[in-house]
Amino acid sequence: GENVEQHPSTLSVQEGDSAVIKCTYSDSASNYFPWYKQELGKGPQLIIDIRSNVGEKKDQRIAVTLNKTAKHFSLHITETQPEDSAVYFCAASSSGGGANFGNEKLTFGTGTRLTIIP
Amino acid sequence: DADVTQTPRNRITKTGKRIMLECSQTKGHDRMYWYRQDPGLGLRLIYYSFDVKDINKGEISDGYSVSRQAQAKFSLSLESAIPNQTALYFCATSDPGTSDTQYFGPGTRLTVL
Repeated sequence: GENVEQHPSTLSVQEGDSAVIKCTYSDSASNYFPWYKQELGKGPQLIIDIRSNVGEKKDQRIAVTLNKTAKHFSLHITETQPEDSAVYFCAASSSGGGANFGNEKLTFGTGTRLTIIP
Repeated sequence: DADVTQTPRNRITKTGKRIMLECSQTKGHDRMYWYRQDPGLGLRLIYYSFDVKDINKGEISDGYSVSRQAQAKFSLSLESAIPNQTALYFCATSDPGTSDTQYFGPGTRLTVL
C-alpha cells in the first residue's frame, strides 16, 4: 500500500517569512495530492490540492509543487501570518478506476505543526 | 465544518465497554468516512462507505464496526473498548461527482481507561 512521509514534524518561522513542508510517497500510481490544515480543536480542512498531470499550483499565499519522478510534493506558504499557525497534513491517493471509484482512500502523512512567531 | 457533526465530542469510558460514536451530515454526500488520529501518526482510515449498502474496510478496521443508517448518518462502534483505542476520531464526507475534497467533522476525543 501507499506510504507517505512528511517532514519536518515541527516548524517555527518568523511572521512574514516563508514556510516549506515536504512529503514523499511510495506508490507510483498515486495521482491526487491534497493538503489539509487542522486548527486547534477542529477537523482538518482542505487548503490546496494537486493532481499528477500538473507540476505546480498556486492559490494566493500558498502553493504546492509535485515531482513525480522523485515522488515528492511540497507545500509553500509565503508571507506567513499568525493565522497560519496550525498542523498541516499531506496526503496521497490513487483512483481505483471505474465509474464508482475516485480518490476516496487517502493516505495521510504524520503532520507538521507550524508555529508563526510574531 | 458545521455541516458535519459528531456526537459526543468527548467520551471517557472503561476497558471492555461498548461505545458508539455518531456522525451526521447535511451536505447530501454519499461518501462517508471514519478516521482515527494519534499523535505522530497522522490520520488513518478505519471504514468508508459509498452509500447505505456499500461499506468498506480501511487501513485499521480491526476492533471497530460501522453502521450506515441513512445517507446522512454513519456510526462507529467499539464493541469492547481497549486502552489503545484512546484517540481522536473524525468523520468525513465527500461528493466525488463534484470534487475529491473530504469535509471533516469536529472530532470526538475518546479515552479508554
